[in-house]
Amino acid sequence: KQEVTQIPAALSVPEGENLVLNCSFTDSAIYNLQWFRQDPGKGLTSLLLIQSSQREQTSGRLNASLDKSSGRSTLYIAASQPGDSATYLCAVANTPLVFGKGTRLSVIA
Amino acid sequence: GAGVSQSPSNKVTEKGKDVELRCDPISGHTALYWYRQSLGQGLEFLIYFQGNSAPDKSGLPSDRFSAERTGGSVSTLTIQRTQQEDSAVYLCASSSSSGRTDTQYFGPGTRLTVL
Repeated sequence: KQEVTQIPAALSVPEGENLVLNCSFTDSAIYNLQWFRQDPGKGLTSLLLIQSSQREQTSGRLNASLDKSSGRSTLYIAASQPGDSATYLCAVANTPLVFGKGTRLSVIA
Repeated sequence: GAGVSQSPSNKVTEKGKDVELRCDPISGHTALYWYRQSLGQGLEFLIYFQGNSAPDKSGLPSDRFSAERTGGSVSTLTIQRTQQEDSAVYLCASSSSSGRTDTQYFGPGTRLTVL
């Protein structure tokens, strides 16, 4: 059974810092890995999707990497801003989509 | 364009009552998913629709839970004889292709509270 773990569970950083969120999964037979953002009381917003054949994806200040063989992904956020404060969720696509419990990020102005 | 919408946004009910939660996916999206997010837990898959068919119902926690989809569009999740442990945020998502690996677009969720 696929298990997805996200570390740390919570993170607080000053504005402007670069940071890394970690995601690990137990079954490397995945189709893709997705990173989502969830704001309080809101649904999920897709940030990046990395296909199993890819190593990384970039969107603006976000960069996500995937190492299937080791069962790891990282989400790198450059020059963090208070507006980045949210919970970040990692999900792996087996059948069905399996989510981690998220990392709650606070960026302090 | 319009995203995924869900109604109601909040629902408070008494233990033992039935509830219906509604999801309107993005127009033209063939795949629709229901998830549950309980306090302190991750998102838990409930059911997946492709068109009006549900090839994967493996996440429904008990026979009190059922879902249907009509016209390849709107879906309703029904919980019968609600229990306090059913309290959670119920999220719906849709995606454009028949594969299960494309980006899923989520609605804002329905917060269900069972007293």
